[in-house]
Amino acid sequence: DAKTTQPPSMDCAEGRAANLPCNHSTISGNEYVYWYRQIHSQGPQYIIHGLKNNETNEMASLIITEDRKSSTLILPHATLRDTAVYYCIALNYGQNFVFGPGTRLSVLP
Amino acid sequence: NAGVTQTPKFRILKIGQSMTLQCAQDMNHNYMYWYRQDPGMGLKLIYYSVGAGITDKGEVPNGYNVSRSTTEDFPLRLELAAPSQTSVYFCASSRSFSGGLSYNEQFFGPGTRLTVL
Repeated sequence: DAKTTQPPSMDCAEGRAANLPCNHSTISGNEYVYWYRQIHSQGPQYIIHGLKNNETNEMASLIITEDRKSSTLILPHATLRDTAVYYCIALNYGQNFVFGPGTRLSVLP
Repeated sequence: NAGVTQTPKFRILKIGQSMTLQCAQDMNHNYMYWYRQDPGMGLKLIYYSVGAGITDKGEVPNGYNVSRSTTEDFPLRLELAAPSQTSVYFCASSRSFSGGLSYNEQFFGPGTRLTVL
C-alpha cells in the first residue's frame, strides 16, 4: 500500500476552514484514500474516503489532485471539538489500515 | 447499539503476569481488529479476524494471542507481560474488509490503557 506523508502539526482559527494536506506520491490506481481522526485518547473515527473524485459528507470534503499524488481534507468551519490527530491512509482492496503519526490539528479560539 | 466495547479501561500488570483484554461488538460485523498505540505514535495492527474461527497476524503479533469463537467477541491474550507491552490497546470492527469499492468504516472501542511494571 502507498505510504503517506503529512505535516506533524497545524493550527487553525476557530470558524475558519482547516485544510489538511496529505502526500501519497506512490499511490496506485486501485488504492483509495481514507481519512480518520483521533480526538484526545479516544479510538479513531472515520471521516471520509475517495478514489479520484472529490467527495463531501457532513463532516468534511476531500479534494484529490488529478494525478492522485496528493489530497487535502477540508473541515469547512473548524470548531474547538475538531482538535485531534488526523490520519491519511492509502490502501487497496483487502489491505489492513496502517496508521502513521498523522497531523495534530489544534483549533484555536 | 453499544458499538464496540472494551474491558477493562485501565490495568497495571507486573512483568511476567498474563491477562486477557476483552472486546465485544453488537453490530454483527464479521471483521474485527486489535491495535496498539504507543505514546505519540500511530496505531499498529496486532491481529485481525475475518470471521468466527479465523484469525491472522498483523504487523506486531509477538507476545499476543487471539481467538474468535463467536462473531461478537474477540479477546486479546497477553502471556508473560513485558514493559514493552505498555500501550493503549484499541479493538475495532468493520462490516467488510474491502478497502476499495465497499464502504469500510472501522468502528473503534474506547481503548484499554495497559501499564506493565
